[in-house]
Amino acid sequence: LAKTTQPISMDSYEGQEVNITCSHNNIATNDYITWYQQFPSQGPRFIIQGYKTKVTNEVASLFIPADRKSSTLSLPRVSLSDTAVYYCLVGTGATNKLIFGTGTLLAVQP
Amino acid sequence: GAGVSQSPRYKVAKRGQDVALRCDPISGHVSLFWYQQALGQGPEFLTYFQNEAQLDKSGLPSDRFFAERPEGSVSTLKIQRTQQEDSAVYLCASSFRGSGSSYNEQFFGPGTRLTVL
Repeated sequence: LAKTTQPISMDSYEGQEVNITCSHNNIATNDYITWYQQFPSQGPRFIIQGYKTKVTNEVASLFIPADRKSSTLSLPRVSLSDTAVYYCLVGTGATNKLIFGTGTLLAVQP
Repeated sequence: GAGVSQSPRYKVAKRGQDVALRCDPISGHVSLFWYQQALGQGPEFLTYFQNEAQLDKSGLPSDRFFAERPEGSVSTLKIQRTQQEDSAVYLCASSFRGSGSSYNEQFFGPGTRLTVL
């Protein structure tokens, strides 16, 4: 399973767009890129998944360049409630297990 | 609709005691996972069930850890002779599809925080 590298923490202010980049240099051809969000005292929650180019849903956008060695999670106009740990994961459904790193702690301030 | 539920939410055990942690997955979900999350770390995989079959238990840290899902729905994670290093949050997750699916979103419960004194 490909290892991922992402910043330990990021700070932002309400209303700003936040971009969290994840590196996965050893991503395999069959691997998908998935992002989860975790609030304190809760389990992780799926945000978005993609394979290439751009994916957008009601919560976030995921940008994946052609070489797929990195990806960027974009959160538009963050609010205080977006303060959480964001995990970037790489793998396939066939492997079943999710491999989490330490994630990025996003702190949104007023 | 109900999500994944876990009980108890908090458990305090004395070193050497046995504990049992319960997970109720989303109804109809084929796959069930257990993860262990230490303070400040991401969750770490423990074991995986597809229906009642335990297909992967490679993450169980020792033979003191045992998991079962006898009827393919509710699952129990049992830890025998608990040690202080077992203190962590134990997360359960379920997903609709079985292995081999490229899209395999996992739905997590709130976790059980185990403290071993």
